[in-house]
Amino acid sequence: GQQLNQNPQSMFIQEGEDVSMNCTSSSIFNTWLWYKQDPGEGPVLLIALYKAGELTSNGRLTAQFGITRKDSFLNISASIPSDVGIYFCAGGGYNKLIFGAGTRLAVHP
Amino acid sequence: GAVVSQHPSRVICKSGTSVKIECRSLDFQATTMFWYRQFPKQSLMLMATSNEGSKATYEQGVEKDKFLINHASLTLSTLTVTSAHPEDSSFYICSARASEGAKNIQYFGAGTRLSVL
Repeated sequence: GQQLNQNPQSMFIQEGEDVSMNCTSSSIFNTWLWYKQDPGEGPVLLIALYKAGELTSNGRLTAQFGITRKDSFLNISASIPSDVGIYFCAGGGYNKLIFGAGTRLAVHP
Repeated sequence: GAVVSQHPSRVICKSGTSVKIECRSLDFQATTMFWYRQFPKQSLMLMATSNEGSKATYEQGVEKDKFLINHASLTLSTLTVTSAHPEDSSFYICSARASEGAKNIQYFGAGTRLSVL
């Protein structure tokens, strides 16, 4: 079945640093979504991408839909303590979403 | 973004009892909702796709008689864990798909922590 490879698995950074994470797949997706999940909560949508090559920003977050449609990255600039959490990429077509394993982000003040 | 409400947020029950979890889309209609299960420090695992007015589609390995899904309206889907056992203890999360033109996005509920004693 379809699988996503999300990297890195975890990151420990200092407040103010930039963060980059990515997802790759052997399959083509029509949609790439990035979510953040806090402990004990459901995932919250950060950015949605629908077109190959699309680059979209949401505040300090920037994500891109890869040209090959098999990958996507998420960048966080000038990290702050509240950025702590687990970030999931999700690739999908019309119906199901396939989730990456998540990137666990820790930000030290 | 759209709002999805999930209740209860936490439930503790005795082994052998059944537990119902509700998922509601509050400000949009969702013909399709999804039920996920998440184990500690792991990703979301899709259990089933809930379609309004028709039977749910279950993923391989998910027992449909164990996890009953009902999608009776465009804003409500329910998941009933029947005859729950300790191994059913987990974090269950629903999502609802919102169609915004040609774009389909899934919005998630806050999850339900099920603990079976």
